[in-house]
Amino acid sequence: EVQLVESGGGLVQPGRSLRLSCVASGFTFDDYAMHWVRQAPGKGLEWVSGISWNSGDIAYADSVKGRFTISRDSAKSSLYLQINTLRTEDTAFYYCAKGSGRYYLDWFAPWGQGTLVTVSS
Amino acid sequence: SSELTQDPAVSVALGQTVRITCQGDSLRSYYVSWHQQKPGQAPVLVMYGKNNRPSGIPDRFSGSRSGNTVSLTITGAQAEDEADYYCNSRDSSGFSWVFGGGTKLTVL
Repeated sequence: EVQLVESGGGLVQPGRSLRLSCVASGFTFDDYAMHWVRQAPGKGLEWVSGISWNSGDIAYADSVKGRFTISRDSAKSSLYLQINTLRTEDTAFYYCAKGSGRYYLDWFAPWGQGTLVTVSS
Repeated sequence: SSELTQDPAVSVALGQTVRITCQGDSLRSYYVSWHQQKPGQAPVLVMYGKNNRPSGIPDRFSGSRSGNTVSLTITGAQAEDEADYYCNSRDSSGFSWVFGGGTKLTVL
């Protein structure tokens, strides 16, 4: 069974940085693209970033380009999201999701349970 | 604003059929996936590709397309189908992803 467990969220002041993690199990991590998707409280889903199986292709939503960095570590079966210069509008649940194939342009599922990032002074 | 447009809310009587739509120019070129989200839970994939259901999704869920509009149809809606539904596809550039704004389905 595929399991995705996110961590690293919490209450952070504006301007600070944070690194989110997602530990994957139940599948061969190296064979699949991975994604981050966020959801502000009470709002809809927003795709944030995707990374191909070998990190050769990476993409970001325009809203986060330049501040967010996605990465993966095959030895740890882990996906990461580095968030710099946090803004109040970054407050959201952050979900990781497994790609259906090697490239981030393939559809994605399932999703983890998410980790909440709250940006506030 | 999203490149994919969904009706904010739809209601259906128990056991009846409901169609949830997603409209966008990129849908002429790319497939859509549909994700169901119940309160306090992570989204769950219910439809992907041309008309494919993941394992465990009831066959009352089906998909269709007409031009730039894709639909998720629930035939014989059940109380447990009450949820938010999001369509998801590539954006107009083809190199990024976008979600529709979501449709809140109420089963009466």
